[in-house]
Amino acid sequence: EAGVAQSPRYKIIEKRQSVAFWCNPISGHATLYWYQQILGQGPKLLIQFQNNGVVDDSQLPKDRFSAERLKGVDSTLKIQPAKLEDSAVYLCASSLDLGNSSPLHFGNGTRLTVT
Amino acid sequence: AQSVTQLGSHVSVSEGALVLLRCNYSSSVPPYLFWYVQYPNQGLQLLLKYTTGATLVKGINGFEAEFKKSETSFHLTKPSAHMSDAAEYFCAVSDVYRRALTFGSGTRLQVQP
Repeated sequence: EAGVAQSPRYKIIEKRQSVAFWCNPISGHATLYWYQQILGQGPKLLIQFQNNGVVDDSQLPKDRFSAERLKGVDSTLKIQPAKLEDSAVYLCASSLDLGNSSPLHFGNGTRLTVT
Repeated sequence: AQSVTQLGSHVSVSEGALVLLRCNYSSSVPPYLFWYVQYPNQGLQLLLKYTTGATLVKGINGFEAEFKKSETSFHLTKPSAHMSDAAEYFCAVSDVYRRALTFGSGTRLQVQP
């Protein structure tokens, strides 16, 4: 099966600019996650979708970050405006459903550098 | 709230030696525990998981981990390290109520020839 696809792989922007990341989960996977991984740290959950509904966005900085999954398939994560501390790898993951018997499958991530 | 502590941000072993990566967790409800491996410029790959049942779980590439409730630990071991095991390893916790994983800060494993 095809894995989780993310684009772009790399992005360099200046602070205060906007940026968007795209994720295409594995076909049929109802649950989608966005994680932020800062260098030297473990991934931190930003937002979790079940189909096109938000399950958990408690750690999403909503003043600058937004995410959507309008048709319950692809998802977009946006940062506007970006700050230096947003430099990180943004990982998308998907799972078949909410059950923990269904493992998370991760994409290769988008590495964002904010200068 | 859930949390994971990985002791040792860097571990170095010789090829053929025992690998031991430490993980302690905190959870107010029965935990589900996971180990993931991350190779450079790649996403995370599941090594193994514990949900219920047998406390010693075996994963891919010869790794295994034991859930010890009394010690709130889920340490990862492999009897004999291989050069290809060099990577970053993350322990993570979840539970039946909260699907999203909470990750530790990771342990970078180096394998010396």
